[in-house]
Parts: sequence; C-alpha cells; structure tokens
Amino acid sequence: KAGVTQTPRYLIKTRGQQVTLSCSPISGHRSVSWYQQTPGQGLQFLFEYFSETQRNKGNFPGRFSGRQFSNSRSEMNVSTLELGDSALYLCASSWDGKNIQYFGAGTRLSVL
Amino acid sequence: GESVGLHLPTLSVQEGDNSIINCAYSNSASDYFIWYKQESGKGPQFIIDIRSNMDKRQGQRVTVLLNKTVKHLSLQIAATQPGDSAVYFCAEKRDNYGQNFVFGPGTRLSVLP
Repeated sequence: KAGVTQTPRYLIKTRGQQVTLSCSPISGHRSVSWYQQTPGQGLQFLFEYFSETQRNKGNFPGRFSGRQFSNSRSEMNVSTLELGDSALYLCASSWDGKNIQYFGAGTRLSVL
Repeated sequence: GESVGLHLPTLSVQEGDNSIINCAYSNSASDYFIWYKQESGKGPQFIIDIRSNMDKRQGQRVTVLLNKTVKHLSLQIAATQPGDSAVYFCAEKRDNYGQNFVFGPGTRLSVLP
C-alpha cells in the first residue's frame, strides 16, 4: 500500500508570494493533518481535516489555510510568505478513530 | 501554557547498550501518549503508544514507561543498533476530538560503533 505522498519535495519562494502544498493520504484514511517543523520550534500542529471539514486548528495566523477534497487529498496554502515560514511542512494521515498518524516525507519550503 | 518537553536534547550510546529517552508533560488530564522516530530526510514514524490507564507497554526492543505522578514518559530501546540513530519525539494528545497532538522538541540519538 502506498504511503503518504507530499508534493513537491522542495520549493523556493520569495517573500510576499503564496504557495500551495499537496498531500495524498494513505488509501482509506480520511483524516489529514498538517505540521510545520523548524529547528527552533520543533513540530507544530497547523490543522486537521476530516471529511472535507477542518476539525482541529493550531495557533497559526490566517495566512495558513487548507482544504480537503472528496478523495481525502489535502492542500495547504500559505499566502504573503514571510522569511519565518521557511520550514519542513509535514502531512500525516490516519484512520478514522485511530490515533496513530502516518507521515509523509514533507515539503521543504525556503522563503528568500 | 501546556507543553511536552524532553530532558535531554542529545543522547549518545554505544552500540549494544540500552537507550533511555525521557519526556515531561504538563497536562495531567492527557490520556494518550505516543513516540515517533524521525530519520534524516524522512517523516516521523510511529514507534509505540500508551494510554494513561497503563504504566508500561512493550514492543519489539522498545518499552514505554508512564509515570503519571510526576508526569513523565520514557522510551527505552534495548540493544541499541546503528539503525536506531534518529530524532525521537514524544507527543501528547490534547483532547479526544480528532488528531490534536502536542509534540516535544525531540531528542537526537546517536549510536556509536
């Protein structure tokens, strides 16, 4: 069974631009969560989507948004990029009602 | 605010020795904890989990201990191997609605030959 797939793996943007990252969960998983990972702040929860609805949200500004499609694939968008948005963005999927999350390899975003 | 943290940011052990990675949490109401391993260039991978109604849970070469009195978790790895070199994260589930976890800062485990 294929794992969680994130595209692209690497991305370089400049300040003020916007970016969209994509995540395809494991087949059958309906919960998709997004995390930001930086050396200074570690792994921080952004939001979780389940059945096309945002179910949980972390403490990030409104520039960070996401959505989920009917096939459970998810995208996250960051608008008006700042230098501090440079990070590894991880997507994780899980079975409904199960706590274990399966992570993708992440998208490395660099903001110049 | 509530947080999950680790006592040691780095740990070096000899191959074959046992490793112990520690984690402190602050929310005494948390009832579920999980450990992940992250190798370089990869996303975190599930190792083992434990519920608050347990003190100990064993897996293959790994054991998680939970001390609710002092709000402390530990991950023990027996006979540490080079392939165990990675960053280890503990995470605490905030509530029972969906996936809402607080991750610790991580401990880097280096296995020396």
